[in-house]
Amino acid sequence: DAKTTQPNSMESNEEEPVHLPCNHSTISGTDYIHWYRQLPSQGPEYVIHGLTSNVNNRMASLAIAEDRKSSTLILHRATLRDAAVYYCILRSVSYGQNFVFGPGTRLSVLP
Amino acid sequence: DTAVSQTPKYLVTQMGNDKSIKCEQNLGHDTMYWYKQDSKKFLKIMFSYNNKELIINETVPNRFSPKSPDKAHLNLHINSLELGDSAVYFCASSQDGDNTEAFFGQGTRLTVV
Repeated sequence: DAKTTQPNSMESNEEEPVHLPCNHSTISGTDYIHWYRQLPSQGPEYVIHGLTSNVNNRMASLAIAEDRKSSTLILHRATLRDAAVYYCILRSVSYGQNFVFGPGTRLSVLP
Repeated sequence: DTAVSQTPKYLVTQMGNDKSIKCEQNLGHDTMYWYKQDSKKFLKIMFSYNNKELIINETVPNRFSPKSPDKAHLNLHINSLELGDSAVYFCASSQDGDNTEAFFGQGTRLTVV
């Protein structure tokens, strides 16, 4: 599985946008970029995923660089409930590929 | 309805015991997983399993064994429990053949004393 690099921690103020970066310089053409988050004392929760084009859903937006070597998860208005560890994961379309988690970015949201 | 459910939520047991954690998914997914999250909060894949193949992380001791009575269930059996097995265990599922998301259970906190 290809590896990703994320900052250990980030801080944001409530109701401000948050941009969480992820580097994946060894990404292959068949790797999708997934983002999950883990709220305190809960299991990981899907946020968004994409392949080449930017993606939007009700939770967040995913901006993917043109060369696909990096991506950014965008939370448009952070709330206190968004405080969590955010994981950027590469997952190939090949059969049998697992979701391999790195250390993630711990996001703190300040009131 | 909970998509992926695990029981029990908490499990405290003595060293040397054998225990099981149950997992059920009602999503009709083909693949189920077990993950271990240790005290340092790293999530590590232990197993992935579908009706065709069991893929085992080679670092998992053979005291751990997944058992799947049917497609909707993947239980985790642990023999001869050790102190180092204390962790939170998460079950998850996803659909084969499509790069869709995984759904995780709420976790089982295992404490070995």
